This record gives sequence, C-alpha cells and structure tokens, in this order.
Amino acid sequence: GENVEQHPSTLSVQEGDSAVIKCTYSDSASNYFPWYKQELGKRPQLIIDIRSNVGEKKDQRIAVTLNKTAKHFSLHITETQPEDSAVYFCAAEGRNYGQNFVFGPGTRLSVLP
Amino acid sequence: KAGVTQTPRYLIKTRGQQVTLSCSPISGHRSVSWYQQTPGQGLQFLFEYFSETQRNKGNFPGRFSGRQFSNSRSEMNVSTLELGDSALYLCASSPGSMGDTEAFFGQGTRLTVV
Repeated sequence: GENVEQHPSTLSVQEGDSAVIKCTYSDSASNYFPWYKQELGKRPQLIIDIRSNVGEKKDQRIAVTLNKTAKHFSLHITETQPEDSAVYFCAAEGRNYGQNFVFGPGTRLSVLP
Repeated sequence: KAGVTQTPRYLIKTRGQQVTLSCSPISGHRSVSWYQQTPGQGLQFLFEYFSETQRNKGNFPGRFSGRQFSNSRSEMNVSTLELGDSALYLCASSPGSMGDTEAFFGQGTRLTVV
C-alpha cells in the first residue's frame, strides 16, 4: 500500500533560521499532498497543500515543493518563530489503497529563541 | 462557520466496556473520517463515511465500528475496550470524498481505558 516516510523525526532550529521537512511516498498515482501542524494538546491544522499539477506553492513564510518523478515533497519554513514549534505531519492521498490519506510519522520542530 | 466538533472531549472507561464517540462535521461537508492517534503509532486511519455509507476502512479489528447519519454527523463505537485502545480519536470532515480535497480535524476525544 501507500507508504509515507518523513524526515527528520525531530528538528531544532534557532529563531530566524529556516526549517525543511522532507517526505517520500510510494504510490505514483497520488495527486494531493497536505501538510498539517499539530501544537501540543491541539488538533492537527492544515497549513498548506499541493496538488500534482504544480511543483511549488507558497503562503507567506511557508512553502511546499513537489517532485512527482522522485516521489518526494518538502515543507519549507523561513524566518522561523517560536510559535512554529509543533509536530508537522505530511500526508499523501491513499484512495488507491482503501484509505483517504496516509500520514507520515511526524516531525517535532523546536524553534529556539 | 462552525468547525468540526467532537464530543466528549475526555472519557475514562474500564476494560471490557464499550464507548461511543460523536463527530459533527463542518456544515455542508459530507465526508467524515476517523483516526486514532497514539504517541508510538502516529495517525492511523480507522474509516471514512460519505453520505451515510462507509467508503473506506483501515486495518482495525471489528470492535471498531461507525456510522453516519443523514445530517452527516458520525459516531464511532468501540466495544470490549482494551488497554491498548487508549488514544486520541480524531475525526476529520471534508466537502467530498477525502483524499483529494482538504480535510479539517476536530479537537479529538481522548479516551483512557483503565
């Protein structure tokens, strides 16, 4: 079935630096890739998504890139702030395998002041 | 527009009991999916309901079941609770069939089995 790997599992950066989280997926038919941010004790919140017909999407300090040939996509956060500290999950469409999304295991990002 | 609402927020149950969790999706959303979140296993897909029909099902035992009503509200039931069922249960709603459209999560129900 669809398998989504996510790296790194933990990431610490200094405030103001950039953070990059990478995910790979196995199903070449997947066309939709959302990213969720989950702060401690809160619900996962959709922060950005990308579809397979584009290679990059930006929303202020957040960007996502997609390489369909290599089957990987990445989340880029620039000018990190302490409030960016959270667990980030990537996901890939998994309908071909009887699921809606297959989530990566998550990356715990810590932004140090 | 109200978000996804899950009730109750917290539950403590004893092994062997059963439990029912509720999820009210965003108005107009027809798809509701359920996930189990544990520290060691991440977000695990349970099942999806769309227009009152189960569309997809994850790899969970038959003790986990669900249903969806005509107003798109969904319930999840777990029978014969085990200690390992302790987790945060999240539902997510989507306008259409999930997988290719954005999904929004509720705040979750934290179930503790003792």
